[in-house]
Amino acid sequence: DAKTTQPTSMDCAEGRAANLPCNHSTISGNEYVYWYRQIHSQGPQYIIHGLKNNETNEMASLIITEDRKSSTLILPHATLRDTAVYYCIVRVYNFGNEKLTFGTGTRLTIIP
Amino acid sequence: NAGVTQTPKFRVLKTGQSMTLLCAQDMNHEYMYWYRQDPGMGLRLIHYSVGEGTTAKGEVPDGYNVSRLKKQNFLLGLESAAPSQTSVYFCASSYGFGAGGRQETQYFGPGTRLLVL
Repeated sequence: DAKTTQPTSMDCAEGRAANLPCNHSTISGNEYVYWYRQIHSQGPQYIIHGLKNNETNEMASLIITEDRKSSTLILPHATLRDTAVYYCIVRVYNFGNEKLTFGTGTRLTIIP
Repeated sequence: NAGVTQTPKFRVLKTGQSMTLLCAQDMNHEYMYWYRQDPGMGLRLIHYSVGEGTTAKGEVPDGYNVSRLKKQNFLLGLESAAPSQTSVYFCASSYGFGAGGRQETQYFGPGTRLLVL
């Protein structure tokens, strides 16, 4: 699976959009981009994933650049409960490669 | 629907003692996983299972054994605990390969904190 690079930490004001970048310049054509978050030592929580098109769900939006070498997770209206560590993971989803490889992620702090 | 549950929540062991961590899921998932998370680090996969009666090694399997006798349960065993196994252990489950879409994602339990003295 391709390696990802994320900033160590970020702050965002409550109510504003939080934009979390992820670089995955070695991504290959069949690798998906997944985002998980971990709130204060709880189990990680799935947020969103995509292959090449932008995706949106009830939690967030995922913007993937045309060359797929980077992506941005957008939390449109951040709340204090969004304070967490956010993990960007790139993986090929096929039989025999079920694991998620977690890096150290981005610690997002929402400021009141 | 409880999702993924883990037992116990917290445990203290002495070096050389053994114990079993229990993971249970009620979502009829085929795949189950055990991860460990050390302070300031991401999660690392210990072992996983792609179905009842199957197990496979992950990134850091040494010192651990697992069993999947029932589809809903995945047990992680430490035969002789060592201080290096002090960690937070997370169990996860998923529908697995071929499920498509969000069903491919992994759902995590709340974690078990283990301290080995």
